[in-house]
Amino acid sequence: GDSVTQMEGPVTLSEEAFLTINCTYTATGYPSLFWYVQYPGEGLQLLLKATKADDKGSNKGFEATYRKETTSFHLEKGSVQVSDSAVYFCALSGGPSNDYKLSFGAGTTVTVRA
Amino acid sequence: DGGITQSPKYLFRKEGQNVTLSCEQNLNHDAMYWYRQDPGQGLRLIYYSQIVNDFQKGDIAEGYSVSREKKESFPLTVTSAQKNPTAFYLCASSLGAGLSNQPQHFGDGTRLSIL
Repeated sequence: GDSVTQMEGPVTLSEEAFLTINCTYTATGYPSLFWYVQYPGEGLQLLLKATKADDKGSNKGFEATYRKETTSFHLEKGSVQVSDSAVYFCALSGGPSNDYKLSFGAGTTVTVRA
Repeated sequence: DGGITQSPKYLFRKEGQNVTLSCEQNLNHDAMYWYRQDPGQGLRLIYYSQIVNDFQKGDIAEGYSVSREKKESFPLTVTSAQKNPTAFYLCASSLGAGLSNQPQHFGDGTRLSIL
């Protein structure tokens, strides 16, 4: 079945450092891919998405490229801020055989220190 | 503003008691979902509904029940059969089934604890 594997955390870095969170997936067909962010005590917010191979999603300085050849969707940001401290989830949307349900990775906790 | 409202934010349950978590959306979305979040385990799907008066079990439906009598509402009942109910519960909605490129929108969650 569909599944997502993302880099285990926690990840701790200093302000202005470069952030990468690895995400790989297993799916049949051509899933859509998403990154969500969760701040403490809140629900998930959509950060970015990509719906087909080679698409690049971007938002708030974060980017991720849908790589079908490596089945990956790694999240990157060039210069993080303390406000980027959160839990990040990679997810894929399954096809009709799976009722288009989302499959989530386990989440990666990121802490940015001033 | 359109969005998803979950209530209450915090809920306490006594042993043997059923409790109901509310989820309301004004996004005019057809599909709604309930997830359970435990530390370090990501999100697990409890139930989902693709249309009014219809719903399906997710991966961990045992000990839970839902109803979908109105498009905007999808309440979740945690029954006494759920032996480990302490968790953070998230409700989500999306435009509709068959639209894999549409994201899910989430509420702010309800934290359930056992007294």
